[in-house]
This record gives sequence, structure tokens and C-alpha cells, in this order.
Amino acid sequence: DAGVIQSPRHEVTEMGQEVTLRCKPISGHNSLFWYRQTMMRGLELLIYFNNNVPIDDSGMPEDRFSAKMPNASFSTLKIQPSEPRDSAVYFCASSFVRNQPQHFGDGTRLSIL
Amino acid sequence: KQEVTQIPAALSVPEGENLVLNCSFTDSAIYNLQWFRQDPGKGLTSLLLIQSSQREQTSGRLNASLDKSSGRSTLYIAASQPGDSATYLCAVLYSGGGADGLTFGKGTHLIIQP
Repeated sequence: DAGVIQSPRHEVTEMGQEVTLRCKPISGHNSLFWYRQTMMRGLELLIYFNNNVPIDDSGMPEDRFSAKMPNASFSTLKIQPSEPRDSAVYFCASSFVRNQPQHFGDGTRLSIL
Repeated sequence: KQEVTQIPAALSVPEGENLVLNCSFTDSAIYNLQWFRQDPGKGLTSLLLIQSSQREQTSGRLNASLDKSSGRSTLYIAASQPGDSATYLCAVLYSGGGADGLTFGKGTHLIIQP
């Protein structure tokens, strides 16, 4: 039974470069969430999709961040241009509907030099 | 702004002890509360979910309780084992506006000594 799949697992790049993180939710799940985890702030919601439509992007820190969900089985989180303060672990999670258990991927550990 | 607080931040106990992790939240208008486990360098594993209408949930040696009116939840771990060592996170899904995703506590880092 495949869980939430994220790629890449690790990304190291220089500041100013474009970064694209990818997520495949669990099949049949209609809600998808992107979170960011840092030592200082813990886990914070970036954006929430319901049926592929962005519902709440109030957690997206700046215009440099964008997220898309072109279909029910794929989502991307893009940072352009990247900055060192974007370094964090980015998690994707999905649930059948919003108020059911969320299942998390293994995350992408992003380092911006 | 909704806040979730976990106490203690870290805990180290010998193997075999029963222990309680605490979680408090500021707004009682919740859909549910979820406890997760996170191992180093890994994602989050869902342990238990308590809906707002429920008082507790059990899974094996784990028992989670919810007191919505006082804004508190506890995770009870019976007969702890070294394999229970991890960070335990409490997260609340609010039913009010302004937070469509989970609001997380900072976690309790648990070490079970063999």
C-alpha cells in the first residue's frame, strides 16, 4: 500500500536557483497539504488543496513560493529564486477529506547555500 | 492565533516505565486532535486520531485522551521500550477560520534507556 511519495529526498543548491519539490498523494485522497519544518518554528502549513484546488495559501511565506496541483495524483512546490532562509524540511501530506487522518511523506530536506 | 503547547520538551526514562506526554491547545473549536511520531530524518507516522466528539482512543500500548473543554490531551505509553524513542508531536485541526491545516506543537523528544 503506497504512502505519500515525495521527491527528491535531499536537495542542495545555491541561492538564486529554482527549486521544485514533488509529491504524489495517496490514491483516492482529496486533500493535500504542504508543510515546512524548521528548528525555530516547528511544523507550519504552507498551502492546502482540496480536489486539486488551492483553498488556503496564507502560509506561503512570499511570492517566491508557488504550488500547483495539475491532477489528483501530483503536486509541486516551487521556490524561485531560492534563499538560504528557505532551508528546511518540506513535507507533503494527504487525507481522504480534510478532517480525516493526514498521512505524511518522508519529506524533502532542502539546503540552500 | 491558535497555539499548541507540548510539555515536557524532552523526557528520558528507563525502559519499562509508564509515561504521559501532555498537549494543550488554546481554542476548543476543533475537528480532531492527532498524535504523531517522528523518527530522526523521517516523516511523521500517525499514531492516534481523536475526533472532537470522542474522549479517548487506544492502539496497543498507546492511549490518547481528549478534554476539549479544558483544551488538553494526553498520550499515555505503557511499558515503554527503547524502540519508543522518538519525537512525539501533537496536532490540532481547528474548525474555526484561519487554519485549514494542522496546527502542531513543538514536540516531546523521548528517550527510553535500555
